[in-house]
Amino acid sequence: AQSVTQLGSHVSVSEGALVLLRCNYSSSVPPYLFWYVQYPNQGLQLLLKYTTGATLVKGINGFEAEFKKSETSFHLTKPSAHMSDAAEYFCAVSARRGAQKLVFGQGTRLTINP
Amino acid sequence: NAGVTQTPKFQVLKTGQSMTLQCAQDMNHNSMYWYRQDPGMGLRLIYYSASEGTTDKGEVPNGYNVSRLNKREFSLRLESAAPSQTSVYFCASIGPGAITGELFFGEGSRLTVL
Repeated sequence: AQSVTQLGSHVSVSEGALVLLRCNYSSSVPPYLFWYVQYPNQGLQLLLKYTTGATLVKGINGFEAEFKKSETSFHLTKPSAHMSDAAEYFCAVSARRGAQKLVFGQGTRLTINP
Repeated sequence: NAGVTQTPKFQVLKTGQSMTLQCAQDMNHNSMYWYRQDPGMGLRLIYYSASEGTTDKGEVPNGYNVSRLNKREFSLRLESAAPSQTSVYFCASIGPGAITGELFFGEGSRLTVL
């Protein structure tokens, strides 16, 4: 079974500041890990994913995330926040084999202050 | 290329009324999903269809039924709506060969049950 915990339902940063959104997962098998972004009144879109190989993965819009097995974490970062990054972000996990389902965290709403 | 299309986008129902949410994808995807999104709870899987002709329950199936009409279409029916079903509903699909979790989402259907 898999589960995801996102630390902080709301995060607020200043424009140009570092963005850090935290995600911890639980999985009985090696996981696939994902970050999705949801802009207001839209559906979710894939931001980045970790499957195998390099543990630091890069996504769209300058975001990246690092898979740390020892810490069961997959935190999302961006060096310099932009106003357009304001959205809700969801971390998600699925099992590598045989899974048809994706388990989502509760989401973190990111606000960017000018 | 429209991707995943959901109708209607908005609906208000009275308790006890029935309705069907429609979803169609034009990407030749095999698997389709229905999620509901509630504040602070992320996305929860209602039902999914791994392939045409099959459907399976997700995390929160009670009060819902689904039909995989063909490869393109996957509908969600509320037989007797309840206020607890007020939510935003998302349909999603995943293509053959894609790893589990790379979902394409529709823009959502916002349902209010009075």
